[in-house]
Amino acid sequence: ETGVTQSPTHLIKTRGQQVTLRCSSQSGHNTVSWYQQALGQGPQFIFQYYREEENGRGNFPPRFSGLQFPNYSSELNVNALELDDSALYLCASSPGAETSTDTQYFGPGTRLTVL
Amino acid sequence: GESVGLHLPTLSVQEGDNSIINCAYSNSASDYFIWYKQESGKGPQFIIDIRSNMDKRQGQRVTVLLNKTVKHLSLQIAATQPGDSAVYFCAEISRGTGRRALTFGSGTRLQVQP
Repeated sequence: ETGVTQSPTHLIKTRGQQVTLRCSSQSGHNTVSWYQQALGQGPQFIFQYYREEENGRGNFPPRFSGLQFPNYSSELNVNALELDDSALYLCASSPGAETSTDTQYFGPGTRLTVL
Repeated sequence: GESVGLHLPTLSVQEGDNSIINCAYSNSASDYFIWYKQESGKGPQFIIDIRSNMDKRQGQRVTVLLNKTVKHLSLQIAATQPGDSAVYFCAEISRGTGRRALTFGSGTRLQVQP
């Protein structure tokens, strides 16, 4: 177990709706990254938060947004859901740039289905 | 649980044999590499990592080899067990991007035959 938790486990939404996914990072980790994993593919980087600030973003539209809180937990928000947003959403935590440690530890993911 | 890797390359080995999973990368600026194991319905699990200033690193039953000349990474699993059956991903981070985001390969499914 990595100590990274995500909620909910599964979620079903309809097109056009909005969704919020949550992640609690491993104790002592101040960096959280979010990834989208479509069926049969490797995870794709969405964005990363370091000490409550966005620290880089992948090739995802602005309707994908996030937050990191003072306790380093994080949220991923997706507006105007599309069918192609159906995927496993993964959160990963890491100790932070100041430690020179790049290892990212993943949570179990949230399976989002958009109908 | 979910089925990950429906159309992934598959490596089938007999229990007790050694497994070698290969990964090619294209970015010469990659300076950190990780191997992850992903079982059905679960998130990726860290196996072993290596920095670009190393050629080889060993863990418990696993070895990662890095050949920067041909941009090739391999994961060797000794005495493969049924519990090793999963999808394996290599991932890399490139220096100079500012962010330290992982770029994943497409994955290989390992099937261990009893």
